Amino acid sequence: SQTIHQWPATLVQPVGSPLSLECTVEGTSNPNLYWYRQAAGRGLQLLFYSVGIGQISSEVPQNLSASRPQDRQFILSSKKLLLSDSGFYLCAWSGQGRIQYFGAGTRLSVL
Amino acid sequence: GIQVEQSPPDLILQEGANSTLRCNFSDSVNNLQWFHQNPWGQLINLFYIPSGTKQNGRLSATTVATERYSLLYISSSQTTDSGVYFCAVGGGSNYKLTFGKGTLLTVNP
Repeated sequence: SQTIHQWPATLVQPVGSPLSLECTVEGTSNPNLYWYRQAAGRGLQLLFYSVGIGQISSEVPQNLSASRPQDRQFILSSKKLLLSDSGFYLCAWSGQGRIQYFGAGTRLSVL
Repeated sequence: GIQVEQSPPDLILQEGANSTLRCNFSDSVNNLQWFHQNPWGQLINLFYIPSGTKQNGRLSATTVATERYSLLYISSSQTTDSGVYFCAVGGGSNYKLTFGKGTLLTVNP
């Protein structure tokens, strides 16, 4: 069966520090991969999605970037964190069936 | 892009009550999913339902694509049903989803 792993679960970082969040999927090949951010107030905002290795689409201009170095690995990065980058970051995958499956999320606090 | 509106934004129920959550969307879609986010933040897919009706235990969903809305029914609610319910829609050939702002459901014992 397919599983999605996301880490770390929580992270506290100072303003101006770099960021690297990792997401990996097991049990499937060539998944579509997504990064979402959920700020206080509930809504989920799609940040990036990828349909293949090295193929990244950005949905909103921001301080973040994404990379897909391997088929089932998706990384969210920042060179210098801002206070406004705080939030709950969720990784998801989908296959041909279109249903999206989410990881457990990373709670990021930038102080 | 597609706009998604969910109602009500907040709902408080007593255990055992039934409820209906609504999702309106602004354009034709070929992808509609309902999710439940538990208090720990985990998002679970409940239904993939771009059209028609589906049932899973006490939950059922109906999407009327021609009228651009979907309904999620919860019967005999339990405290474990508490959390935020999201509707997410997509159209075209890609698999991107646009999420509504959710309905926060609180079920009291």
